[in-house]
Amino acid sequence: SAVISQKPSRDICQRGTSLTIQCQVDSQVTMMFWYRQQPGQSLTLIATANQGSEATYESGFVIDKFPISRPNLTFSTLTVSNMSPEDSSIYLCSVQGTGIHEQYFGPGTRLTVT
Amino acid sequence: LAKTTQPISMDSYEGQEVNITCSHNNIATNDYITWYQQFPSQGPRFIIQGYKTKVTNEVASLFIPADRKSSTLSLPRVSLSDTAVYYCLVGANTGFQKLVFGTGTRLLVSP
Repeated sequence: SAVISQKPSRDICQRGTSLTIQCQVDSQVTMMFWYRQQPGQSLTLIATANQGSEATYESGFVIDKFPISRPNLTFSTLTVSNMSPEDSSIYLCSVQGTGIHEQYFGPGTRLTVT
Repeated sequence: LAKTTQPISMDSYEGQEVNITCSHNNIATNDYITWYQQFPSQGPRFIIQGYKTKVTNEVASLFIPADRKSSTLSLPRVSLSDTAVYYCLVGANTGFQKLVFGTGTRLLVSP
């Protein structure tokens, strides 16, 4: 399994500002993923990030709002831009495991926008 | 990806066996069934996966009937620490398949 850390663990931000969330993995992985989990809700995939290529965004998520970087095989960042209270959520990164549909998740970043 | 239906919530007491059933009527031939567990303030954790019949590991058992239109996650002798949300996912084993999380089942274990 992989060990994943995220920074920050939580933050409170003002509307209109941006926050960059970091995801660090303890091993090299090809595919990394970013999810959003709104309060009391299930997880929704934002995008898939492969090293060396542009991230692939899911319907309803755009690069201008959620730019993603993937500079190497152990690290990725997700920026939440021009935030509004509706962006208050937990943001989680994950990496592909060895099994079918097996992913390892980070602890999440709890974002509150005021 | 096959749509899944689970109970929204379940209650149990310590020491009991808990069975959570997931319906996936439109499951395809090459689909696998995967369950994740999410504790409060943590990311989901892969717990078990199966294709047919029964799979057992140190955490749970997964029962899949012959028609594969449903599956049951069985947690033996639950403890308070099993309080979590349990997600059932269905998807093919061909190439990369993104995870699509449904609503999940919120299990509350009481003393």
